[in-house]
Amino acid sequence: EVELVESGGGLVQPGGSLRLSCDASGFTFGSYSMTWVRQAPGKGLEWVSYSSSTGAPYYADSVKGRFTISRDNAKNSLYLQMNSLRAEDTAVYYCVREAGSCATTSCSHYYYYLDVWGQGTAVTVSS
Amino acid sequence: DIQMTQSPSSLSASIGDRVTITCRASQTLNEYLNWYQQKSGKVPKLLIYGASRLQSGVPSRFSGSGSGTDFTLTISSMQPEDFATYYCQQSYSTPYTFGQGTKLEIK
Repeated sequence: EVELVESGGGLVQPGGSLRLSCDASGFTFGSYSMTWVRQAPGKGLEWVSYSSSTGAPYYADSVKGRFTISRDNAKNSLYLQMNSLRAEDTAVYYCVREAGSCATTSCSHYYYYLDVWGQGTAVTVSS
Repeated sequence: DIQMTQSPSSLSASIGDRVTITCRASQTLNEYLNWYQQKSGKVPKLLIYGASRLQSGVPSRFSGSGSGTDFTLTISSMQPEDFATYYCQQSYSTPYTFGQGTKLEIK
């Protein structure tokens, strides 16, 4: 069974740090790009950060310079190091697998989508 | 960044109704548009990718259409389990932004 399990959330003071982890199982982790998506209480979904299968990172402007995404393909794990945390970072953080399907017959382009979601880990930034 | 705008933000519907949700992008996406369903307290679920391609296991009453900047998600006949919040997401360029969501409620 394909599964993603997040851990590492909790209560932290403003300016503090947390490291989230995501353990993957049931699929070839190293072949997939992975994403962190967050959802503040009562709010919508926000794309936070992305790691290509080879580790190339991308970040939303709201976290750039404060968050660092990384992965260990040998351990089937994805991480999110969160520094200089702010109250507005309070959210449930989801680890999500990104899959792709050919958009052209030659597969020169792919449709990318988030097909497997973890249950999430809650981060609360408060004094 | 590409801005995604959904309309309406909320919608009341009855069982059996045909429902349409709209998503508009601030720039062209070709067909790089996905739809997700999130039930209260649950994890989001992929419904549609590539604007109109139904994810495996998703009921055929769900359909997507559109290209460029304007997209729609249609539920042909609302079922009790379809009352949820729906999000569009562009996968044309990073950051892969989401719309603000459309909450479908029972009339």
